[in-house]
Amino acid sequence: DAGITQSPRHKVTETGTPVTLRCHQTENHRYMYWYRQDPGHGLRLIHYSYGVKDTDKGEVSDGYSVSRSKTEDFLLTLESATSSQTSVYFCAISAFPRDRTDTQYFGPGTRLTVL
Amino acid sequence: AQSVTQPDIHITVSEGASLELRCNYSYGATPYLFWYVQSPGQGLQLLLKYFSGDTLVQGIKGFEAEFKRSQSSFNLRKPSVHWSDAAEYFCAVGAEGAQKLVFGQGTRLTINP
Repeated sequence: DAGITQSPRHKVTETGTPVTLRCHQTENHRYMYWYRQDPGHGLRLIHYSYGVKDTDKGEVSDGYSVSRSKTEDFLLTLESATSSQTSVYFCAISAFPRDRTDTQYFGPGTRLTVL
Repeated sequence: AQSVTQPDIHITVSEGASLELRCNYSYGATPYLFWYVQSPGQGLQLLLKYFSGDTLVQGIKGFEAEFKRSQSSFNLRKPSVHWSDAAEYFCAVGAEGAQKLVFGQGTRLTINP
């Protein structure tokens, strides 16, 4: 299994509070991704990173920001959480461009509940 | 842009029966195609992928998938399912240079004893 951990694994917070989720990898891969998973929507890309300090938006980036100060860590921040951000969040990594197929490997997920 | 459709939201099969999960994609060139499986409360695990060559791809846990360009499909099959195969299955499509995968909505598989 790819060395990916996510923390916390579960979090309950209140509307309007800031939340930061952490993804940590031990594979030294350049690309990292944040997805959210909701019933009926599959996985949707929030943001991704293609290197330290290099990030870009995905299809559902509103209300989220990311940072990557080290190769191994990719942080997802909800500046002011809303109930619509209740979801399961997955981090993924890929060895692109060494692996040109961009095969992605996923972490265990973080279940976030915003009350 | 790529897109993926998994027409079946939920499928129920009996243990020991054969299985086929459907996946249709939309992309102008040759895609990279993936199947992932997600057990309850777990992350996604890669079952298999297609990127070139033989259109019949073998994966882990006895699964296989066939790429059919003429039908824009990449269906997942297993000759005999086990109770442990109950999970959600996701098809995904990527493209050369895109650095992004697009996922289908998933198919939930239930196994009857």
